[in-house]
Amino acid sequence: EAQVTQNPRYLITVTGKKLTVTCSQNMNHEYMSWYRQDPGLGLRQIYYSMNVEVTDKGDVPEGYKVSRKEKRNFPLILESPSPNQTSLYFCASSPLGGEQFFGPGTRLTVL
Amino acid sequence: GESVGLHLPTLSVQEGDNSIINCAYSNSASDYFIWYKQESGKGPQFIIDIRSNMDKRQGQRVTVLLNKTVKHLSLQIAATQPGDSAVYFCAGLRSNDYKLSFGAGTTVTVRA
Repeated sequence: EAQVTQNPRYLITVTGKKLTVTCSQNMNHEYMSWYRQDPGLGLRQIYYSMNVEVTDKGDVPEGYKVSRKEKRNFPLILESPSPNQTSLYFCASSPLGGEQFFGPGTRLTVL
Repeated sequence: GESVGLHLPTLSVQEGDNSIINCAYSNSASDYFIWYKQESGKGPQFIIDIRSNMDKRQGQRVTVLLNKTVKHLSLQIAATQPGDSAVYFCAGLRSNDYKLSFGAGTTVTVRA
C-alpha cells in the first residue's frame, strides 16, 4: 500500500530533550516536506527536500533540523525542544510538482 | 511572499444542499492549486487540483473554479453528505521551488 508513515504518533517530552520524528514513504517520491499545524494557522511548512541531500527552509524552520540521506526517509529533529514547538506535525511526499500525500500526523507536547 | 487564505473559518450546510468554500491567494507565482480535506485525527487528503491554465475542473461531486484575475478559487461540493464534515484547506504551489502554502482552513459542518 502506498503510504507515508510517521513515528511516533504521539510524544510527550520535556524542554531541552532532543527528539527525532521519523518519516518514510514507499512511493519513490522526490519531494518530501514537514509541516506543523496549529489552531487558526493552518499548515505551515518547516523544511522541505526536493531530492536526496537537498533540503531547504520553509516558513518556520527555527528550532528544527532535517536530513535526507535516503530518498524514502526524511526525519525531523528537534535538538532542544521548547514548549512553543508543541504542535501537530505532518510529513508529506510527492512527485515534483504533484499532489502531496500526507502522513497520519505526530502530536508533540513539550512540557 | 505568498499567502493563501480562506474567506470563512466555518460553514454550516444542510445535508443535501450544495457547499461553496472560497479561497484567495496573493501571489500570482502560484500556478497549481489543490484542495485538501482533513477529517478529525487524520492527515489532509487530496480532493481535487487545478493548474493555472484552467478555469474549472470537475471531480466526483466536487468542482474547483479558478479566477486568476481576482486571484480567487472555490470548491463546490454537490449534495453535501454527513461524511463531508471536515476541515477544508486550499493550497497554492509554486512550480519554481515546489513550495506549497496553505490557507487556515474552513470547518464544514453538515446538518442532518
